Amino acid sequence: DIVVTQSPDSLAVSLGERATMNCRSSQSVLFSGTNNNYFAWYQQKPGQPPKLLIYWASTRESGVPDRFSGSGSGTEFTLTINNLQAEDVAVYYCQQYYDTPYTFGQGTKLEIK
Amino acid sequence: EVRLVQSGAEVRKPGESLKISCKGSGYSFSTNWIGWVRQMPGKGLEWMGIIYPGDSDARYSPSFQGQVTFSADKSINTAYLQWSSLKASDTAMYYCARHRPGWGHSDYWGQGSLVTVSS
Repeated sequence: DIVVTQSPDSLAVSLGERATMNCRSSQSVLFSGTNNNYFAWYQQKPGQPPKLLIYWASTRESGVPDRFSGSGSGTEFTLTINNLQAEDVAVYYCQQYYDTPYTFGQGTKLEIK
Repeated sequence: EVRLVQSGAEVRKPGESLKISCKGSGYSFSTNWIGWVRQMPGKGLEWMGIIYPGDSDARYSPSFQGQVTFSADKSINTAYLQWSSLKASDTAMYYCARHRPGWGHSDYWGQGSLVTVSS
């Protein structure tokens, strides 16, 4: 199985500032045939199902504010949230979908400082 | 509008069986993989596996192989997750999610089904 490790486990950032969280996969999720990274980010607010934010490592899902951005390739990925808003408080998960089982990271809990 | 509507909360005793459902609408249910994800209380997301409703081809995570069964009835646009003998450790929220056509990321999610197993 591909192991996905997120860091940090929790993060506290002031309103209006930038939040950055990372994921590392145990093997590359870059498919050379398409040059796509099979990697996604989800946001889960309390009492709600997860919501897709980013796929192909850097493509923002329709309707997701542009303050959310994804970057990285191969085995190292980053989710950046600029101009942090109160509604961004959530747990963020990354996932590889390069190979089954499509493993998730353990999550990063984002709070307001 | 794409929607996935899951069955309601269930309470069972250890050793009992259970089948929960996930009904899709607003898209071609038969031609999109449906995934199942477990979230134990206060914990993270665990990918259980996927099923293709068109032919019921199912892929299980090794962690869940033999512990659960996926099925689907394409005639009523519904996928199922089934246990034959529940354990207390099966207590969790279970989500179904549609895989974006042709790919593995999950673009639409059900609201979740809470399963509680307690004697």
